[in-house]
Amino acid sequence: SQQGEEDPQALSIQEGENATMNCSYKTSINNLQWYRQNSGRGLVHLILIRSNEREKHSGRLRVTLDTSKKSSSLLITASRAADTASYFCATVNFGNEKLTFGTGTRLTIIP
Amino acid sequence: DTGVSQDPRHKITKRGQNVTFRCDPISEHNRLYWYRQTLGQGPEFLTYFQNEAQLEKSRLLSDRFSAERPKGSFSTLEIQRTEQGDSAMYLCASRGVGGSYNEQFFGPGTRLTVL
Repeated sequence: SQQGEEDPQALSIQEGENATMNCSYKTSINNLQWYRQNSGRGLVHLILIRSNEREKHSGRLRVTLDTSKKSSSLLITASRAADTASYFCATVNFGNEKLTFGTGTRLTIIP
Repeated sequence: DTGVSQDPRHKITKRGQNVTFRCDPISEHNRLYWYRQTLGQGPEFLTYFQNEAQLEKSRLLSDRFSAERPKGSFSTLEIQRTEQGDSAMYLCASRGVGGSYNEQFFGPGTRLTVL
C-alpha cells in the first residue's frame, strides 16, 4: 500500500522556473527520501532527510520535512529540460528496511 | 557497468504461464529488495533479503510468487500461473552496509505483460 500522496499529481513549468512538489505520509518515520524516475529508466535516489532534520540541500534541490504535519516538500530551482520526470517520495519507518513510496508527481519542463 | 542489472527487461507471457526474473545487485551489497510498480503508481515493496536470508515478505507476495537469493549474490523472482493482474514493472534494488542509511540503488526493471 502507498504511504501517502504527493501533490500535485502533475506539474508543467517553463524552463528556468522553480518547481515545488509536496508529499504527505501517514506514520512516524525514520527518514524520508526523494527519487526521480525517467521514462524507460529506473529510479534514481536524489536526497535523504532524517526525521530529526528540517531542511537539506543538494545542488539545485532543497528538501524540507515537517514531522508534526507529516509532510515534506521538494524544490527544484532553475529547472532544466532534463528534470522532466516523475518524482516520488519514499519513507522508511524505524526498525524497517523497506521503502514505502508515494503516488508521485509528474513534472514536465517546457523548453 | 557496476549498477544493479535485471534480466529480462521485457517479458510478454500468456496467462497461466510461469515466469522468472533475475536481479544482479551491486557486488558488495548484501541487502536486496524487490518492488512492483503498476502504471501511474509508486513502487510497492514485495520482499527483502539480507545475504541469502529472506527477512521480510509483503502480503502482496501471494503463494504464486517466490523469491530466492541462494548464494547471497543474485536473486530470482518467480511468478507461477501468471494472471493479468500481475502485469507490472518489477524493480530490484540493493543496498550495502555502511552506505547512506537506506539509500537503495535500483535496477532498470523488468516489465511484465500478461496476455
